[in-house]
Amino acid sequence: EVQLVQSGPEVKKPGESLKISCEASGYGFNNNWIAWVRQMPGKGLELVGIIYPGDSDTRYSPSFQGQVTISADKSIHTAYLQWSSLKASDTAMYYCSKLTGPWFFCDSWGQGTLITVSS
Amino acid sequence: SLLLTQPPSVSVAPGQTARITCEGDNIGSKSVHWYQQKPGQAPVLVVYDDNDRPSGIPERFSGSNSGNTATLTISGVEAGVEADYYCQVWDGSTDHHVLFGGGTKVTVL
Repeated sequence: EVQLVQSGPEVKKPGESLKISCEASGYGFNNNWIAWVRQMPGKGLELVGIIYPGDSDTRYSPSFQGQVTISADKSIHTAYLQWSSLKASDTAMYYCSKLTGPWFFCDSWGQGTLITVSS
Repeated sequence: SLLLTQPPSVSVAPGQTARITCEGDNIGSKSVHWYQQKPGQAPVLVVYDDNDRPSGIPERFSGSNSGNTATLTISGVEAGVEADYYCQVWDGSTDHHVLFGGGTKVTVL
């Protein structure tokens, strides 16, 4: 069974750094793209970026380029999303999901990690 | 870049059919996927590649895609289908890659 288990909720202050995780099991982690998706309160789904753990090929949506860093550790089947300096506007739920091709859809999702940034 | 437009809301009486559209320039040339998201829960894939259902998804969910419009059809609506629904395509030719529609809230009257 495919499972994506995300790290717990976080409350941070503006300017702080943060790294959240997504641990995968039940499938070939190295050979499937992982997507990070943001959902701001009361809003829709937006792609943050995607990573191919096998070679760490990473692509960012234009709105998030330079704002976040996506990475993966193949040895522990875990993907990460990190910020070096959080803003209040980063407050949102963040989901990881496994992408399946060739026309890439998200066939499994993590439970989500709620990030709250407030002074 | 491609923009996917969904109606903000659709209302339907129990037992009737709900149709949710997803409009985009020549979307018929792409594979469209649909997700259901209930309050406080992660999205769930309900239709992929225009009209295929993952294991465990009821037959009441079906899809079509032609021209500039893709449609998710929910037959025999009951209270349990009340949720937000999102369409999605893969746009590998741009930096947007996984592109979502704005979402449609389905309300069962």
